[in-house]
Amino acid sequence: EIVLTQSPGTLSLSPGERATLSCRASQGISYRSLAWYQQKPGQAPRLLIYGASSRATGIPDRFSGSGSGTDFTLTISRLEPEDFAVYYCQHFYDSPPFSFGQGTKVEIK
Amino acid sequence: VQLVESGGGLEQPGGSLRLSCAASGFTFSDYSMNWVRQAPGKGLEWVSFISSGSTTIYYADSVKGRFTISRDNARNALYLQMNRLRDEDTAVYYCARDRYYFDSTGYYRWFDPWGQGTLVTVSS
Repeated sequence: EIVLTQSPGTLSLSPGERATLSCRASQGISYRSLAWYQQKPGQAPRLLIYGASSRATGIPDRFSGSGSGTDFTLTISRLEPEDFAVYYCQHFYDSPPFSFGQGTKVEIK
Repeated sequence: VQLVESGGGLEQPGGSLRLSCAASGFTFSDYSMNWVRQAPGKGLEWVSFISSGSTTIYYADSVKGRFTISRDNARNALYLQMNRLRDEDTAVYYCARDRYYFDSTGYYRWFDPWGQGTLVTVSS
């Protein structure tokens, strides 16, 4: 079973700053099988990125994803007030479970 | 495209609940579906998958043998029958559509959209 480990647990930044979130897989996975989601309090998760780097429909271009093998990154180039939320990575490599990372909270400094 | 869950509530340990997810705005029978849960203040946990024609079903080990996923394509509905409930099943349960596509490089996959969730509380 593949385990995804996200770091840091919490990222304290100011609006306008750059956010870099990490997702590390316990074994190499295809970049095509990695997705990122955003979740705000009291809301369902929302798809941001699929295939490690492809933005979902309607997602602003300040969000970008990269990575391959075991190391993946979600970057928010300039934080807007609405970007403060929890971010999860998820893999679809091989067979279930289609596990998630434990999440990274991006909070206002 | 919309997914709306229902059926959550308070149930005692050992009891049963049946969750429903009503789909609209897309051809439900063309898509595989999933249940994902989130315990209070915790992260996301994938629970179960069902293919479009119900021929392939998967469960997380934590619910295997207690939960049953099913669907009714004529009613555009997804279900999760939850038996022998435990305290640790307390969570918001989301249904999520399974999406994928193939291109020259291979196979991509993700969940989109998600429903708003329904809260299941297991407590005596």
